[in-house]
Amino acid sequence: EPEVTQTPSHQVTQMGQEVILRCVPISNHLYFYWYRQILGQKVEFLVSFYNNEISEKSEIFDDQFSVERPDGSNFTLKIRSTKLEDSAMYFCASRRTDNSNQPQHFGDGTRLSIL
Amino acid sequence: AQSVTQLGSHVSVSEGALVLLRCNYSSSVPPYLFWYVQYPNQGLQLLLKYTTGATLVKGINGFEAEFKKSETSFHLTKPSAHMSDAAEYFCAVMRGGKLIFGQGTELSVKP
Repeated sequence: EPEVTQTPSHQVTQMGQEVILRCVPISNHLYFYWYRQILGQKVEFLVSFYNNEISEKSEIFDDQFSVERPDGSNFTLKIRSTKLEDSAMYFCASRRTDNSNQPQHFGDGTRLSIL
Repeated sequence: AQSVTQLGSHVSVSEGALVLLRCNYSSSVPPYLFWYVQYPNQGLQLLLKYTTGATLVKGINGFEAEFKKSETSFHLTKPSAHMSDAAEYFCAVMRGGKLIFGQGTELSVKP
């Protein structure tokens, strides 16, 4: 069964540095998402992306964050000037359509640790 | 606004016992509801979903959930717990294009 893949599985970065988290969505999917899970807290929506544009973003997704689909397969989340509170598990998800009854398929996540 | 509440951050059952994980939602429109499971060091895997139609939904690994509009609930059950069911379980509602998750319930299974 096709899977969403994320790399790296664990990223350790010094505070203030930039980090790029990478995702390869399922190949025939058109809608892409990033979520975040801070340790001990709920999974939170960050951003949705379709047709090379952000469809919706949460209040968490400020100017520090950006997303890009640089080619036909990758979907990236960039965090500029990382802060300690950016430490979290970041999940990428995708789905084929935007019908509300269609589930999102998640990757295994990238654990981001900011030192 | 749509939201999800999971009652109990941690549930412990004995192997072979009934599993019941509670989820209540608030929604002004008919909701699309999902249960996801997260095994240690893994991502979120879809267990089952409710969209329309039959209110009792069967999922993978023997889990099922019943949508009860009158109680605004979507509790997850499994008749007999296995050790391999130990994981974190998330209830979620689809709002627009995004999922709104509950706090999660960690299920422990004792031998």
